[in-house]
Amino acid sequence: GNSVTQMEGPVTLSEEAFLTINCTYTATGYPSLFWYVQYPGEGLQLLLKATKADDKGSNKGFEATYRKETTSFHLEKGSVQVSDSAVYFCALFSGGTSYGKLTFGQGTILTVHP
Amino acid sequence: GAVVSQHPSWVICKSGTSVKIECRSLDFQATTMFWYRQFPKQSLMLMATSNEGSKATYEQGVEKDKFLINHASLTLSTLTVTSAHPEDSSFYICSARTPGKQYFGPGTRLTVT
Repeated sequence: GNSVTQMEGPVTLSEEAFLTINCTYTATGYPSLFWYVQYPGEGLQLLLKATKADDKGSNKGFEATYRKETTSFHLEKGSVQVSDSAVYFCALFSGGTSYGKLTFGQGTILTVHP
Repeated sequence: GAVVSQHPSWVICKSGTSVKIECRSLDFQATTMFWYRQFPKQSLMLMATSNEGSKATYEQGVEKDKFLINHASLTLSTLTVTSAHPEDSSFYICSARTPGKQYFGPGTRLTVT
């Protein structure tokens, strides 16, 4: 079956530091890949996505590239801010638009200090 | 953007009672709704998928008689935890899908005493 593995957290950084959160996946076929963010007290929000190999998703300074050869979708940001403190989930979607499902990684807690 | 609401945001109930959680898509019609369960420091686990007007499809290991899901309209789905026990205490998250996009509610914290 499908699975997503994220680097374990929590991750604690100082403001303006470089961020990498690793994500690898196992899936049949050609899944779409996502990063979701969950701020305290809020629901999951889509951060970025990539639908095919070598696509790069980007949003709010975050980037991730769909690497089929390494089955990875690592999240990066060059300079984090305190407001980026949240839980980040890597996910894959497979199964088609009608019956497809999201499979989530375990989430990585990010805390950014001033 | 699209909004999905859940009510209540938190609930405490006694063991043996039932509790209902509502999920609404506020500004769009959802073809499909999903219910997830999230344990502390763990991933979201899909419990069931429901389409409006039809029976929910439950994931393996999820008791359909314990977690009753009703999808009465294109904007409302409910999850009823029947005869709740302390091990049912968790964070329940609903999600609503339109073609090509999926939106998540803020979650409901259930504590069973």
